[in-house]
Amino acid sequence: KNQVEQSPQSLIILEGKNCTLQCNYTVSPFSNLRWYKQDTGRGPVSLTIMTFSENTKSNGRYTATLDADTKQSSLHITASQLSDSASYICVVRTLYNQGGKLIFGQGTELSVKP
Amino acid sequence: DGGITQSPKYLFRKEGQNVTLSCEQNLNHDAMYWYRQDPGQGLRLIYYSQIVNDFQKGDIAEGYSVSREKKESFPLTVTSAQKNPTAFYLCASSNSATGVYEQYFGPGTRLTVT
Repeated sequence: KNQVEQSPQSLIILEGKNCTLQCNYTVSPFSNLRWYKQDTGRGPVSLTIMTFSENTKSNGRYTATLDADTKQSSLHITASQLSDSASYICVVRTLYNQGGKLIFGQGTELSVKP
Repeated sequence: DGGITQSPKYLFRKEGQNVTLSCEQNLNHDAMYWYRQDPGQGLRLIYYSQIVNDFQKGDIAEGYSVSREKKESFPLTVTSAQKNPTAFYLCASSNSATGVYEQYFGPGTRLTVT
């Protein structure tokens, strides 16, 4: 069964600290993996998209990694800010000829405290 | 100002009534999607459309209906047959349903049915 599992479910950190969010998936065949940021009551906004051949991709203070062999991804946030408080969603896409579906994780709720 | 708009932001209905959620995009995207988000769960696909006058059921289409008469518009009707309609509904669009094209999400509509 195609699944995306994220950990931890929630996380509280102090402003200025770093943190890493985890994503494990069992989706096959794999096309790409995306990380989205969703503020409360808003739609998700894309942070990164990585294909099979990409190991690391950065977007400002956000760095995503992908290990296609172990089917794991992480999102590292550096020097956290209060505005980083949000839900972070890992999404894996299957190949289009196999449906091209997006499989969504349940999200990690990050709270950055002053 | 380009993007995806959803209206209204909050919607309240009595049980047994049909309700239509609006989704409009001016990004010239071919594909449009409707998702449902419930607390602690990943987004689930309700319906999607790759081209005008064509749409396909997603994973949880029962109790919902859509139309795609214009490229810019993809309204979702929540019918009285939907057993648990209270949820946060997200509309998205992308250049195509294939490849690594990013999905852009609207701000969402929170529907409460009592």
